[in-house]
Amino acid sequence: GQNIDQPTEMTATEGAIVQINCTYQTSGFNGLFWYQQHAGEAPTFLSYNVLDGLEEKGRFSSFLSRSKGYSYLLLKELQMKDSASYLCAVMDSNYQLIWGAGTKLIIKP
Amino acid sequence: DAEITQSPRHKITETGRQVTLACHQTWNHNNMFWYRQDLGHGLRLIHYSYGVQDTNKGEVSDGYSVSRSNTEDLPLTLESAASSQTSVYFCASSEGGRDTGELFFGEGSRLTVL
Repeated sequence: GQNIDQPTEMTATEGAIVQINCTYQTSGFNGLFWYQQHAGEAPTFLSYNVLDGLEEKGRFSSFLSRSKGYSYLLLKELQMKDSASYLCAVMDSNYQLIWGAGTKLIIKP
Repeated sequence: DAEITQSPRHKITETGRQVTLACHQTWNHNNMFWYRQDLGHGLRLIHYSYGVQDTNKGEVSDGYSVSRSNTEDLPLTLESAASSQTSVYFCASSEGGRDTGELFFGEGSRLTVL
């Protein structure tokens, strides 16, 4: 079966750095996506990785290792507004997105 | 501004009733999707469409149907609502080919089936 694993919840301090991990086992691979979802709101797209390596976008970076079935989202200079759930999704060989259950990130002052 | 809207945002219904959730997008995107989101689960795909008159079943399509008569709308119908269908439903759209994973989501419709 297809599976996306990410931690259920993480806590970090304002101004710090946090890394949210995602491991996957899917039928084929056509890209890995990270979304942010604030409580009670819609998910919004953050990043896309299809090749190994690091993609940087401002305070957020996303890393991919296809051989290890592993990705992480790195958030720097944490702000209170970064408190949200972070969803990892993998596009499989049928171009279907397989979603993880999400990581709830709690930022403390 | 282009957008994607869902209605109703909240709905309470009874077991056995038919319910339709509306989804309307003004981006002229070919691809549209319906997902449900439940605690402890990732988003699960119900139905999707890659264009007018095209509809496809997703992972959890039993008890749901969709139709795509124009580019802008993909209504989701629960033919006979069941308590297991209590959930938050998200509509999404994307441009480009079916390999596009950047989705634009509506605000969600919270459905309670009593």
